[in-house]
Amino acid sequence: EIVLTQSPVTLSLSPGQRVTLSCRASQSVRSGDLAWYQQTPGQAPRLLIYGASKRAAGTPDRFSGSGTGTDFTLTISRLEPQDFAVYYCLQSDGSPRKLSFGGGTKVDMK
Amino acid sequence: QVQLVQSGAEVKKPGASVKVSCKASGYTFPTYSINWVRQAPGQGLEWMGWISADHGNTNYAQKFQGRVTMTVDTSTNTTYMELRSLRSDDTAVYYCTRGLAWLDYWGQGTLVTVS
Repeated sequence: EIVLTQSPVTLSLSPGQRVTLSCRASQSVRSGDLAWYQQTPGQAPRLLIYGASKRAAGTPDRFSGSGTGTDFTLTISRLEPQDFAVYYCLQSDGSPRKLSFGGGTKVDMK
Repeated sequence: QVQLVQSGAEVKKPGASVKVSCKASGYTFPTYSINWVRQAPGQGLEWMGWISADHGNTNYAQKFQGRVTMTVDTSTNTTYMELRSLRSDDTAVYYCTRGLAWLDYWGQGTLVTVS
């Protein structure tokens, strides 16, 4: 089973700042099988990035994903007030497929 | 538009079972698997398993093997997740979500309280 470790656990930032979130896998993940989600309180998660770097429909271009192998990154170029949320990475691996989520990174307002 | 609509909140006693439904619309139902993901209060997301909407093949996370059953009714485009032998730590919001390599559309969530 692939374990995803996200860091940091919490980030306290101000609007306008640049954010870099990390997702590290216990073994190599195919780039096509790594996704990022945003979750705000009381809401279902929202798909932001799939295939490690492809923006989902409706994802603003200030969000970008990168990485290969065991190290993946979600970057928000300039934080907007609506971006304060919890972010999760997700991987899918194996046959049959098994999925696992990272523990999440909370981005809150300083 | 794609929609996944789940059944309403449930309150169950320890040891009981719960069955949550997820009705899909707005796309060709057999084309996508449905996954179930849960989130305990204040905690992260936990994948439970998936069911293929065409043939009903399933794959469960090891943690839930023997305690969860996912089924599909193609006549109504509805999938079901039954969790048995409930414990207090099964209290969570349960989500259905579409996909396999990534999960694009999500239901609104169903709160299951075990108390």
